[in-house]
Amino acid sequence: DIQMTQSPSTLSASVGDRVTITCRASQNINTWLAWYQQRPGRAPNLLIRKASTLESGAPSRFSGSGSGTEFTLTISSLQPDDFATYYCQQYHSSSRTFGQGTKVEIK
Amino acid sequence: QVQLVQSGAEVRKPGASVKVSCETSGFTFTSYYMHWVRQAPGQGLEWVGLIGPGGGRTTYAQKFQGRVTMTADTSTSTLYMELSSLRSEDAAVYYCAKSRNEHCTAGDCYGGLDVWGQGTTVIVSS
Repeated sequence: DIQMTQSPSTLSASVGDRVTITCRASQNINTWLAWYQQRPGRAPNLLIRKASTLESGAPSRFSGSGSGTEFTLTISSLQPDDFATYYCQQYHSSSRTFGQGTKVEIK
Repeated sequence: QVQLVQSGAEVRKPGASVKVSCETSGFTFTSYYMHWVRQAPGQGLEWVGLIGPGGGRTTYAQKFQGRVTMTADTSTSTLYMELSSLRSEDAAVYYCAKSRNEHCTAGDCYGGLDVWGQGTTVIVSS
């Protein structure tokens, strides 16, 4: 299986900060990567697909980049609604895998 | 609108089985791959497996091979996931999710999971 590794595991930031989360794949996944946001007690919500395509309805402060094995999710100006956990997921192989998650906390 | 509505919470003893349902509406059930993802308390997301449009094919995570069965009823546009030989580590919230069809090859379609059910809590306790 393809392993997905996110960093950091936890991130403390303030409203208005620019935030970057990294996701690394154990092998080349081209751009077949999605990012999800999950708030406590809620189902995950798709933010970005194909590494950099913003999902309809997702705020434009979210952006994704990368290809191959290294990817980033950037929040340009952190808003109160953005304090949540973020997961990357590869869909290059028939067996999909998620990263372990990055929790964005209030500083 | 597109909706996935899952069955209610379940409590099972170790060694038993559980079957979770996911009723879909608002899209063509026979055109999309559907996935199951679980999340143990305080833990991250774990992919369980997928079922092809209308139940055509299944792919399970190696960890669950032999214990999980995913099926679909096209007459009611409902998915089912059955997990057997339950152990305490299977206690989790189980989600169904619809996949986008971003690229299709070799009998599978790949994409982000754009619609999710509300989750079903499975408790495993003696």
